[in-house]
Amino acid sequence: KQEVTQIPAALSVPEGENLVLNCSFTDSAIYNLQWFRQDPGKGLTSLLLIQSSQREQTSGRLNASLDKSSGRSTLYIAASQPGDSATYLCAVEGTYKYIFGTGTRLKVLA
Amino acid sequence: DVKVTQSSRYLVKRTGEKVFLECVQDMDHENMFWYRQDPGLGLRLIYFSYDVKMKEKGDIPEGYSVSREKKERFSLILESASTNQTSMYLCASSLVFSGTVYEQYFGPGTRLTVT
Repeated sequence: KQEVTQIPAALSVPEGENLVLNCSFTDSAIYNLQWFRQDPGKGLTSLLLIQSSQREQTSGRLNASLDKSSGRSTLYIAASQPGDSATYLCAVEGTYKYIFGTGTRLKVLA
Repeated sequence: DVKVTQSSRYLVKRTGEKVFLECVQDMDHENMFWYRQDPGLGLRLIYFSYDVKMKEKGDIPEGYSVSREKKERFSLILESASTNQTSMYLCASSLVFSGTVYEQYFGPGTRLTVT
């Protein structure tokens, strides 16, 4: 059974720092991996999707990488800003459904 | 832009009531999903649908049912609400692409409290 883990559960950093969020999964037979952002009390906003044949995807200050063989993905955030404060979730896709990690709660201090 | 809407942001219901949560998407997506989100447990899939009138159980279907009569609308039904169904409910939709589920888009969520 696929399990998805995100460590750390919470992270505080000063504004301007570059940071890396981690996502690991137990079964490497995945189709896609998607990173989301969730603000308190809100739904999820898609940030990046990496197909299983890809190694990374970039959008603005965000870069996500995927290493299927080691069961790991990282989300790199460059030059963090207070507006980046949110919970970040990764989800891996098996057949017809996604399995979610429990997220990393990020706080960027001004 | 894809838009997924949910009928209510907040709901308060009594134990034993029948509860309907509605979700509508405007991008002609084949797949639709219902999740619940609880602190420490993350998002868990309740049901999903890959076509009109088709449904599949997710990981925690007990106490729930669903209906998909039209492609754009997916309803979650709590037949007899219980306090352990107090949660945030999230709806999502996605295209099917190359035989796999493609990018998921989420609605704003419904926070349901059962008293």
